[in-house]
Amino acid sequence: ELKVEQNPLFLSMQEGKNYTIYCNYSTTSDRLYWYRQDPGKSLESLFVLLSNGAVKQEGRLMASLDTKARLSTLHITAAVHDLSATYFCAVDMTSSDMRFGAGTRLTVKP
Amino acid sequence: EAGVAQSPRYKIIEKRQSVAFWCNPISGHATLYWYQQILGQGPKLLIQFQNNGVVDDSQLPKDRFSAERLKGVDSTLKIQPAKLEDSAVYLCASSRGGSQETQYFGPGTRLLVL
Repeated sequence: ELKVEQNPLFLSMQEGKNYTIYCNYSTTSDRLYWYRQDPGKSLESLFVLLSNGAVKQEGRLMASLDTKARLSTLHITAAVHDLSATYFCAVDMTSSDMRFGAGTRLTVKP
Repeated sequence: EAGVAQSPRYKIIEKRQSVAFWCNPISGHATLYWYQQILGQGPKLLIQFQNNGVVDDSQLPKDRFSAERLKGVDSTLKIQPAKLEDSAVYLCASSRGGSQETQYFGPGTRLLVL
């Protein structure tokens, strides 16, 4: 059975600092997604990673995918308060089965 | 372009009652998904439609949950009868093609079963 594990589950960091969120998955897949969810809101797509070695960047966030290691990372550079949210990775097992991680709740403090 | 619409936004019912949720996907999107998100967890896929056909409903509790997308556009998700553990946010999402494309999520329906 596909398992998608994120760590850490909770992350509190100071503004201006860097940090990485990890997403491990247990079966072969070459499609991985990162979403952001603000409290009480729906999910917003951040990145779609479609191949081994894919790297995408948007502002202070950069996502990468290593399909051989079954690992994706979401790197935060010089965090700001507006990045406070819950971040989910999701792995596409087949064309009809997408599994989400439990989420990483990020709090950026001044 | 208009986003995914869902209604109602909130619903409170007692256990053993029935409830229905409605979703209108982005125009032209062939694929529609229903997810259940329990507080503190990631979304869990309940059912996926491609046009008006079911692609995957393996995680849908079919003894109490049902969903349809009769004309390949709007969809309804029904729970009958509801249980306490059904309390969750029900998210609808759509994508242009299959799940390899970006999914766009609606605002969700927050269900509380008392």
